Amino acid sequence: GAVVSQHPSRVICKSGTSVKIECRSLDFQATTMFWYRQFPKQSLMLMATSNEGSKATYEQGVEKDKFLINHASLTLSTLTVTSAHPEDSSFYICSAETSGGANTQYFGPGTRLTVL
Amino acid sequence: KQEVTQIPAALSVPEGENLVLNCSFTDSAIYNLQWFRQDPGKGLTSLLLIQSSQREQTSGRLNASLDKSSGRSTLYIAASQPGDSATYLCAVRLFGGSQGGSEKLVFGKGTKLTVNP
Repeated sequence: GAVVSQHPSRVICKSGTSVKIECRSLDFQATTMFWYRQFPKQSLMLMATSNEGSKATYEQGVEKDKFLINHASLTLSTLTVTSAHPEDSSFYICSAETSGGANTQYFGPGTRLTVL
Repeated sequence: KQEVTQIPAALSVPEGENLVLNCSFTDSAIYNLQWFRQDPGKGLTSLLLIQSSQREQTSGRLNASLDKSSGRSTLYIAASQPGDSATYLCAVRLFGGSQGGSEKLVFGKGTKLTVNP
């Protein structure tokens, strides 16, 4: 089956630093990847939709200059949290959609970010 | 704006019991509905996907139904086991944009299920 990986699985950083999270589709090409954020006991909230080779589309209320998304290839998307603050601490999950309009998203295992 | 609600927020049952998890959504114009399982600190595992034209899907001890007109879906778990303990998320997929591209999933907050041995 389709497998999506994320790296790192857990990261702790100091306030003001930047953190990069990678999302990879291991055995398929993903023209579209999605980045979600999940706060404790809350639902997953879509942050942005990333299409290979083009700029990401951000959801309302998500700062594109703070959450930089790059989708440079059909198997890799990165999310960089710039100048992280404690309120950015959350669980970040990516998903990847297969090309060809299959309309099925495969989810990564998530990255736990803690900003001190 | 599409909103997805899941009831109950938490459920604790003894092993072997059959149970039903509920999901409701405000806009019936959906592409499909999907049930996921999420273990603590982990990503999502897709359980069942129901297309908007379908009424139900079954996989093993799981059965999901969809009543699009009333904006409701249920996930039925038969003969529950301790290994079923997890948070179950319901998500609806909206139709694609004008160019037929992907559209987002809108998630509920989930039902945390505990099956006691």
